[in-house]
Amino acid sequence: GAGVSQTPSNKVTEKGKYVELRCDPISGHTALYWYRQSLGQGPEFLIYFQGTGAADDSGLPNDRFFAVRPEGSVSTLKIQRTERGDSAVYLCASSPGGPRSDTQYFGPGTRLTVL
Amino acid sequence: KQEVTQIPAALSVPEGENLVLNCSFTDSAIYNLQWFRQDPGKGLTSLLLIQSSQREQTSGRLNASLDKSSGRSTLYIAASQPGDSATYLCAVGGSYIPTFGRGTSLIVHP
Repeated sequence: GAGVSQTPSNKVTEKGKYVELRCDPISGHTALYWYRQSLGQGPEFLIYFQGTGAADDSGLPNDRFFAVRPEGSVSTLKIQRTERGDSAVYLCASSPGGPRSDTQYFGPGTRLTVL
Repeated sequence: KQEVTQIPAALSVPEGENLVLNCSFTDSAIYNLQWFRQDPGKGLTSLLLIQSSQREQTSGRLNASLDKSSGRSTLYIAASQPGDSATYLCAVGGSYIPTFGRGTSLIVHP
């Protein structure tokens, strides 16, 4: 079946602009995660959804970052007033249940470059 | 705060060698530990998931062990192949926040 997909694959924007990154999880997966990965680093947790609600958003770095999952499937990560330090690969993952027991399946990521 | 360390950071070996990659973590109160593979410019592919009550998991040429009390996990790769070249990441699951190490970059040359 189809895996986790993310669009766009690459996004180049200017400092101060607003961007939206989309994640389509595997059908039926109730848990969805966003991570950010900088070069040479492991993924850094941002937010975890269980269904439509954010179960844990403690990884969001500041209030410029926001994520939604209104119907419990597709999720959008929104970044306002982008800064050069936001440049990274943004990864999305989904799992059938929660993070305590299930394997996470990752998408290919969106590479965000803020000029 | 959980800290995850992976040693070595990079490894280059000839084809056919058996390898051990190490992952250590500071907080032993974990639910699970997962090993991933990441190819350049790609997302992560899950290799093995070990629940906290388990000691090891095996898949093909891969074997992962977990020692919670000492805060360690190892990934053993038997008879390495050039196709195994990638970055290997471990992720420690505690509460809702998985913590990743920086990875071990592996090159297997023919």
